[in-house]
Amino acid sequence: AQSVTQLDSHVSVSEGTPVLLRCNYSSSYSPSLFWYVQHPNKGLQLLLKYTSAATLVKGINGFEAEFKKSETSFHLTKPSAHMSDAAEYFCVVSDLWLNKLIFGAGTRLAVHP
Amino acid sequence: GAVVSQHPSWVICKSGTSVKIECRSLDFQATTMFWYRQFPKQSLMLMATSNEGSKATYEQGVEKDKFLINHASLTLSTLTVTSAHPEDSSFYICSAREKGLAGFGETQYFGPGTRLLVL
Repeated sequence: AQSVTQLDSHVSVSEGTPVLLRCNYSSSYSPSLFWYVQHPNKGLQLLLKYTSAATLVKGINGFEAEFKKSETSFHLTKPSAHMSDAAEYFCVVSDLWLNKLIFGAGTRLAVHP
Repeated sequence: GAVVSQHPSWVICKSGTSVKIECRSLDFQATTMFWYRQFPKQSLMLMATSNEGSKATYEQGVEKDKFLINHASLTLSTLTVTSAHPEDSSFYICSAREKGLAGFGETQYFGPGTRLLVL
């Protein structure tokens, strides 16, 4: 069965500094992986997705993630945080057999001035 | 990108009444729609998966008679919370997956959510 683990429940950074949100996955086959962002009282917005093409995936708002099969990781990064990046971030794996998404527990990103 | 809308965005109702939430894919056809529930500061919990024209598949522990799902067309799914009680108060989010994309990695697009408060 597919699973995903977000290693940090909370991450706090200063504005202008890099962001790293960590995600490890477990999959018996080549997975499809996604990062979604959720601002307070809003739905989820797709940041980026990996589907066995390039291992470095660029998304919206300057975010990117690198698929590392050897480390079973799909960490989300951004070179310079903005105040507007403060939100909840979900790492997600697609389980084809179960026909559903498997969500990580989420990482809350706080950005300080 | 593809847009999914939900209506209403929030609703307050009395205990014992039923509430219907609509989910629409605005610019694409969705063969599959999903309904999630989210408690404060928690991840999303899948309630059910619905395919257009067929019965919804409910996750274990979700009462199908309590949460009625109808996927009448390729652009509309509804969730009806029947005889709502305070414990049903939550944030409900729908999601839709586009028709016609073979293989894997199809993106699910999420609605903005509906906050339900049952008094």
